Amino acid sequence: DVKVTQSSRYLVKRTGEKVFLECVQDMDHENMFWYRQDPGLGLRLIYFSYDVKMKEKGDIPEGYSVSREKKERFSLILESASTNQTSMYLCASKPPADKPYEQYFGPGTRLTVT
Amino acid sequence: AQTVTQSQPEMSVQEAETVTLSCTYDTSESDYYLFWYKQPPSRQMILVIRQEAYKQQNATENRFSVNFQKAAKSFSLKISDSQLGDAAMYFCAYRSRGAGNMLTFGGGTRLMVKP
Repeated sequence: DVKVTQSSRYLVKRTGEKVFLECVQDMDHENMFWYRQDPGLGLRLIYFSYDVKMKEKGDIPEGYSVSREKKERFSLILESASTNQTSMYLCASKPPADKPYEQYFGPGTRLTVT
Repeated sequence: AQTVTQSQPEMSVQEAETVTLSCTYDTSESDYYLFWYKQPPSRQMILVIRQEAYKQQNATENRFSVNFQKAAKSFSLKISDSQLGDAAMYFCAYRSRGAGNMLTFGGGTRLMVKP
């Protein structure tokens, strides 16, 4: 079974702090994704990576950066956290081929910025 | 750009009954995939069912089935014999064939199951 883990389930940070969210997958997937989940808006793609050190902006990259130094690990970085970044963050992974068809998700990190 | 719309923020169903969740999407592409994902209160998103646009036959997975209307750009999920464990957020999602495997999600529908 594919396993995607995220470093924290709950995180509370102060405005202006630098925040790191870590995601690790154990299936040697090339593609990894970071989403933000907000009520009524569903999941929105922040960044994705299709290989080590490669990244592409998603729909809402502003205020975020990412790092992919190893294939299994994809980090989301909030350089200076703001209250409007309070949200649920979900990581996912998938091989680049069409099959398997679905993305595999981690359990999520609920981030609160005060 | 593709958009996915789920018009029902919340739905409820009596245990053992049938419920249908709606999803519409907008695309100019002809070849794509559509998905329904389930997110239980524990938050781990899991795939419920998948439909390939080039297939006319509606996908079915046990108690879950879809009504895929390509011309109308509609992709509804029917849950038969609802169970308490079906209570969750359900997300409809779209993916172009290839194209980096990125998903576009709808806003979600919260399904409540009454005993």
